Amino acid sequence: DTAVSQTPKYLVTQMGNDKSIKCEQNLGHDTMYWYKQDSKKFLKIMFSYNNKELIINETVPNRFSPKSPDKAHLNLHINSLELGDSAVYFCASSQSPGLDLHFGNGTRLTVT
Amino acid sequence: KNEVEQSPQNLTAQEGEFITINCSYSVGISALHWLQQHPGGGIVSLFMLSSGKKKHGRLIATINIQEKHSSLHITASHPRDSAVYICAARPTYNTDKLIFGTGTRLQVFP
Repeated sequence: DTAVSQTPKYLVTQMGNDKSIKCEQNLGHDTMYWYKQDSKKFLKIMFSYNNKELIINETVPNRFSPKSPDKAHLNLHINSLELGDSAVYFCASSQSPGLDLHFGNGTRLTVT
Repeated sequence: KNEVEQSPQNLTAQEGEFITINCSYSVGISALHWLQQHPGGGIVSLFMLSSGKKKHGRLIATINIQEKHSSLHITASHPRDSAVYICAARPTYNTDKLIFGTGTRLQVFP
């Protein structure tokens, strides 16, 4: 009964490949987010969706494309992976923008 | 310079000690969050506050809006409190966004 679940937990892939990370929340929240945590543990917002509509897109390369098929899901697709994409990616949700966050357990992406 | 700064970066303590982690920010905010990231990597939201003080168990968070400063206190610290503590500010110029501090790594030894 995990509130915010991400898959996979670990993802190892080669440069140039395309990969997806999935996120689902069962909290009935309207807002979902993707955050990137770099090797220095610094977190940064990438995208935010509210009711399936994009509300934040923070200067992320267009190789990253979020997709929200419904309010409970926000998937992250990454094309032409680069070494610098290696990081931990966290999905999160909140009842609405500006309210308290619930995080997934993260997906550690390693690009070789 | 990051809009949200935390200190110290690293902190070690003996079990039972009182811990204080500081967070300063340079922008107007609508709220400030304190998060905890355990060694396993998962992130848990501890507090969201916009004024005054909140308490949950041994954890206390305070904020001084005029001074643009927040503190997280842990009373009677325990080895299980060992984690990275992150403050994040929600700026008034974009309340959909969170600006994160660089985190404080706390280790509590028995």
